[in-house]
Parts: sequence; C-alpha cells; structure tokens
Amino acid sequence: NAGVTQTPKFRILKIGQSMTLQCTQDMNHNYMYWYRQDPGMGLKLIYYSVGAGITDKGEVPNGYNVSRSTTEDFPLRLELAAPSQTSVYFCASKKQGSGPYEQYFGPGTRLTVT
Amino acid sequence: AQSVTQLDSQVPVFEEAPVELRCNYSSSVSVYLFWYVQYPNQGLQLLLKYLSGSTLVKGINGFEAEFNKSQTSFHLRKPSVHISDTAEYFCAVSADKAAGNKLTFGGGTRVLVKP
Repeated sequence: NAGVTQTPKFRILKIGQSMTLQCTQDMNHNYMYWYRQDPGMGLKLIYYSVGAGITDKGEVPNGYNVSRSTTEDFPLRLELAAPSQTSVYFCASKKQGSGPYEQYFGPGTRLTVT
Repeated sequence: AQSVTQLDSQVPVFEEAPVELRCNYSSSVSVYLFWYVQYPNQGLQLLLKYLSGSTLVKGINGFEAEFNKSQTSFHLRKPSVHISDTAEYFCAVSADKAAGNKLTFGGGTRVLVKP
C-alpha cells in the first residue's frame, strides 16, 4: 500500500492564480480530510468528507473548494490564490465509523503564494 | 467544541535525558486523545492514543502518555531521548461522537535533542 499520496510536493503560485492539490489513498478509507499547517499554529481543518459525494466544511474553509467523486480521491481547489494561503497542506484519511481509528497523513504540499 | 493547549512551544533537551511534553484539553463530551509526531519535512504519524481503560498508554519509540481526567491533561514522556527524537509533536483530541471524527490539534511542541 502506498497509503496517502499528495501531489505536487511544492508549488509557487502568483496572486490570483488557481490550482488543485491532489490527494489519493489506497486503503479504502471512507473518511478524508484536508488540513493546513501554519508555523506555530498546529493543523487547522479545511474540509472533510465521510464518503464519496459527501463533503463538509472544517474550521477554515474560505478560499477553498473540494469534491469527492470517488473513495480514493479528495482534491482541494484553490481559487484566486492569496498570500494568506501560503502554508503546508496535509491530506489525511481514516477508516469509516466512529471510534478511535487513527488518521493517516500524506507527506504534504508546500505552497507559496507571492 | 474541543480545544487543545500545548504548554511549551519548544523543548531543548540533551541526549539520554528524559523529556515531558505537556498537553491540556477542554471538552464538554468524552474524547479520544492522540499524540502525533512530525519529523522534518514529513507528514504526521501516530505515536499513541488513549481510548479508555488504563490511564497510562504506551506508544512507539519508547514514548508513553498519561491521561488525567480531573486535570484534563494528556502529557507525553520519554525516559531517555535520542537525537532521532528531534521532531515536532502534536497533541490532538477527537470527540467520540463528533461528525466526521474530526481532530482538533494543539499548536505543537518542537523538541530539539542536543548531543
């Protein structure tokens, strides 16, 4: 199993550009998450999904969009990039159901908006 | 809603010395508690988790944590650190019936192990 994979690893965007961060997992997990990590701030949840076709906002959703057409993929879309979106983005997945199942994290995408 | 406070943003420690990373949380419902580690330029991986039962939880790489319900704390300890333990450590909570089982993270504690 590759686990959770994210592409690209690094990206520099100009203000106002758009891009999609890709996330794929091969563990057949129903739950998937997008976080952003700012220095000294821990991780903040952007969006999450409990299954294909179902998404919901997290703590910091503004400026982002997601879709979940398959169990495996959970892309994150940035429209009109702003410097405030400079961050490291992590995708994670988890087994279905309530309970203390751990979240598995991808290696991250480092995004700079200038 | 839950919140997590990690009381130390940075902890320098000498190799083979003990280390304790402090974590306090607040929640109006019962929670699950986690410690994750992030090595430089990598994603997060689970160190240990508290579900229920024994308040002392053992994890990977010699780490352990103690759940204290009355003090709403979940401090992480290691009796003797190695250079390879240099990393950032995150405490996190998840309400057991929260939609999506979302994790709420603390701000992280950066551990620097010195030779």
